[in-house]
Amino acid sequence: NAGVMQNPRHLVRRRGQEARLRCSPMKGHSHVYWYRQLPEEGLKFMVYLQKENIIDESGMPKERFSAEFPKEGPSILRIQQVVRGDSAAYFCASSRPPTDTQYFGPGTRLTVL
Amino acid sequence: AQSVTQLDSHVSVSEGTPVLLRCNYSSSYSPSLFWYVQHPNKGLQLLLKYTSAATLVKGINGFEAEFKKSETSFHLTKPSAHMSDAAEYFCVVSDQLGGNKLVFGAGTILRVKS
Repeated sequence: NAGVMQNPRHLVRRRGQEARLRCSPMKGHSHVYWYRQLPEEGLKFMVYLQKENIIDESGMPKERFSAEFPKEGPSILRIQQVVRGDSAAYFCASSRPPTDTQYFGPGTRLTVL
Repeated sequence: AQSVTQLDSHVSVSEGTPVLLRCNYSSSYSPSLFWYVQHPNKGLQLLLKYTSAATLVKGINGFEAEFKKSETSFHLTKPSAHMSDAAEYFCVVSDQLGGNKLVFGAGTILRVKS
């Protein structure tokens, strides 16, 4: 019974490059959430997706960030033209309605040089 | 809007002594509350969850939390600390009107001394 999978676990990018973070939810889970943990801070909600739909992206920066959860395959968080301030741990969580319990993946630690 | 306040950024205890991590919440309706633990460079693990079934919630690894509506508190306790409990603990509320997105407290780092 695999948990939430995220890859890569560590990602290094130079300023201006693109970062793609992947999340495979737990089996049977159709809801995916992305959170960001900046250094010395707690986790902050970014986006909530269901299959092929963005439900709530109120926590996403307005520019350079996008997310998708296609019918087939993992959820992708994409950051274009990364800057040093994007360096953080990005966590994905999944849940299965009607429960609101979210199970977290191990995170992707993004470092922007 | 939902929010949680963790009253201590750092807590230090000796091994074998009780642990108390304090959390107050703010919610306009009956909330779902959680405690998660994060070990260094690891993901988050769910310790326990409150959903109005019982005010005293038992979790994994001997942790428990008590929901007190009159005090708007959800403090995490453990009778006897173990070295492996050293980690960061997050008190979390679910924004049930906002798609169940989680709102995290700032975290409490627990240090366990031998």
